[in-house]
Amino acid sequence: KAGVTQTPRYLIKTRGQQVTLSCSPISGHRSVSWYQQTPGQGLQFLFEYFSETQRNKGNFPGRFSGRQFSNSRSEMNVSTLELGDSALYLCASSSWGDNEQFFGPGTRLTVL
Amino acid sequence: GESVGLHLPTLSVQEGDNSIINCAYSNSASDYFIWYKQESGKGPQFIIDIRSNMDKRQGQRVTVLLNKTVKHLSLQIAATQPGDSAVYFCAENAAGNKLTFGGGTRVLVKP
Repeated sequence: KAGVTQTPRYLIKTRGQQVTLSCSPISGHRSVSWYQQTPGQGLQFLFEYFSETQRNKGNFPGRFSGRQFSNSRSEMNVSTLELGDSALYLCASSSWGDNEQFFGPGTRLTVL
Repeated sequence: GESVGLHLPTLSVQEGDNSIINCAYSNSASDYFIWYKQESGKGPQFIIDIRSNMDKRQGQRVTVLLNKTVKHLSLQIAATQPGDSAVYFCAENAAGNKLTFGGGTRVLVKP
């Protein structure tokens, strides 16, 4: 089975721009979670989608949003980028009823 | 490689020795705990998990211990190898698939 894939792997944006990151879960997995990883704050939960519905949400501002498509692929969007949004954004997928989450390699976002 | 944490606690261990990584968790309602390993430039990789109705679970060369009384989790790696050099995170799950991660510990294996 192919693992979780994330595109793009690296991205450079400037303040004020917006960005969309993509995640393809493991085949058959319907739950997709997003995390932000920074040296200062560590790994923090952003949100989780299951069957195209947001099931859980972390403590991030409304500039961070996401969605899930019928094929379970997910996107997250960050609008009005700030320097502090520079981070590794990780996507994880899991199958229904299973807590084990499998992580992708992440998208490294740099905001200049 | 990419740094996942500039000021992580570091455990230096001699190749072949055993490693013990500790983690304190915060939510007494958490019922599922996981240890992840993250190598430079990669996403976290599942190592082992344990549910709150257990206090010990063993895998291949790894053992996780859970002490719910003091909300403490530990990961023991037997016969540590150079390939075990990475950052290790504990995570707790109290609801759905929302994981709360610890700050991480960097393990350096000396040949």
